[in-house]
Amino acid sequence: AQSVTQLDSHVSVSEGTPVLLRCNYSSSYSPSLFWYVQHPNKGLQLLLKYTSAATLVKGINGFEAEFKKSETSFHLTKPSAHMSDAAEYFCVVQISGGYNKLIFGAGTRLAVHP
Amino acid sequence: DAGVIQSPRHEVTEMGQEVTLRCKPISGHNSLFWYRQTMMRGLELLIYFNNNVPIDDSGMPEDRFSAKMPNASFSTLKIQPSEPRDSAVYFCASSLEGVPTDTQYFGPGTRLTVL
Repeated sequence: AQSVTQLDSHVSVSEGTPVLLRCNYSSSYSPSLFWYVQHPNKGLQLLLKYTSAATLVKGINGFEAEFKKSETSFHLTKPSAHMSDAAEYFCVVQISGGYNKLIFGAGTRLAVHP
Repeated sequence: DAGVIQSPRHEVTEMGQEVTLRCKPISGHNSLFWYRQTMMRGLELLIYFNNNVPIDDSGMPEDRFSAKMPNASFSTLKIQPSEPRDSAVYFCASSLEGVPTDTQYFGPGTRLTVL
């Protein structure tokens, strides 16, 4: 069965420093993976998605993620954090072999300090 | 495009009352999903429709919950009777199935509080 584990429930960084949000996945197949962001009191917005093409995926707002099959990881990074990046981030795996069913990780809350 | 539209954005009701949440998916999308988000359980899929037909309702908590999609542009999630443990944020999402790795687009959510 497919699943995702977000290794940190909270991450705190200073503005201008790099961001790393960690995600490990479990899948019998080559998975489709996503990162979604949720700002306070808002809906979820797609940041980026991996679809078995390039292993380094670039998303919106300067975020990118690298698919590493050997490590079963799909970590989200950004070189320089901005105050507006403070939000909750969800790593998501798509169930294969069926419809577009998504399994969400528990989320990582990112705090950015001045 | 206006995106996925949900109403109301906030709902406060008393235990035992009927609650109806509404969703308008993105025009042209053929798949619709209802999710519930709570602190304890995170994001859970409640039900999935494809071409207005319920395909997977295994996430619907109990008989008090029901969902309908009478046409391609409208869906409702009803809770009757409501209970305090139903308090959560309910999201609707839509996608165009058949497109490789379809992306789900989420609405802003309805925050439900049952007193």
